[in-house]
Amino acid sequence: DTAVSQTPKYLVTQMGNDKSIKCEQNLGHDTMYWYKQDSKKFLKIMFSYNNKELIINETVPNRFSPKSPDKAHLNLHINSLELGDSAVYFCASSQQPGPYEQYFGPGTRLTVT
Amino acid sequence: AQSVTQLDSQVPVFEEAPVELRCNYSSSVSVYLFWYVQYPNQGLQLLLKYLSGSTLVKGINGFEAEFNKSQTSFHLRKPSVHISDTAEYFCAVSRGSNYKLTFGKGTLLTVNP
Repeated sequence: DTAVSQTPKYLVTQMGNDKSIKCEQNLGHDTMYWYKQDSKKFLKIMFSYNNKELIINETVPNRFSPKSPDKAHLNLHINSLELGDSAVYFCASSQQPGPYEQYFGPGTRLTVT
Repeated sequence: AQSVTQLDSQVPVFEEAPVELRCNYSSSVSVYLFWYVQYPNQGLQLLLKYLSGSTLVKGINGFEAEFNKSQTSFHLRKPSVHISDTAEYFCAVSRGSNYKLTFGKGTLLTVNP
């Protein structure tokens, strides 16, 4: 009965490959997010969707493309992976956009070699 | 623009000692303030938040924080820490029409026996 789940937990791949990370929440929330945490633990928002509509789109290379098939799912597809994409990617959800608690998934550690 | 400064990157303390983790924010308008905790190899979890009202906010696990508008600070405190409080602590601010969360760089609290 995990609230926010992500798959896979670990992802090791080579430069130039394309990969996807999946996220699902069973909290009935309307809003979902993708964050990137670098090796120094700095956490930065990448995207946010509310009811399948993109509402936050930070300065992220267009190799990164989020997709929300329904409000319980938010996937992240990354094309032409680069060494600098190595990081931990967190999915989160909240009741709606606003100063609400965000519930984070366990993270996906992506290593690009 | 808004930014969050966590003044200490690492805070080592002994078990049962009090602790204060410092956070300052810069913003010209009202903000919403949060503290999140990240235990090793896990996602983030909300400790407490300030939206309005009383400037002293109590959170989970015995933590509290005080909002100080004149000093633009939101320091986190606990009167007596446990080994299990060892974790990374993030201060975050939220404002604007999309309520984007901006995180500080984190403070690693290490509680030693």
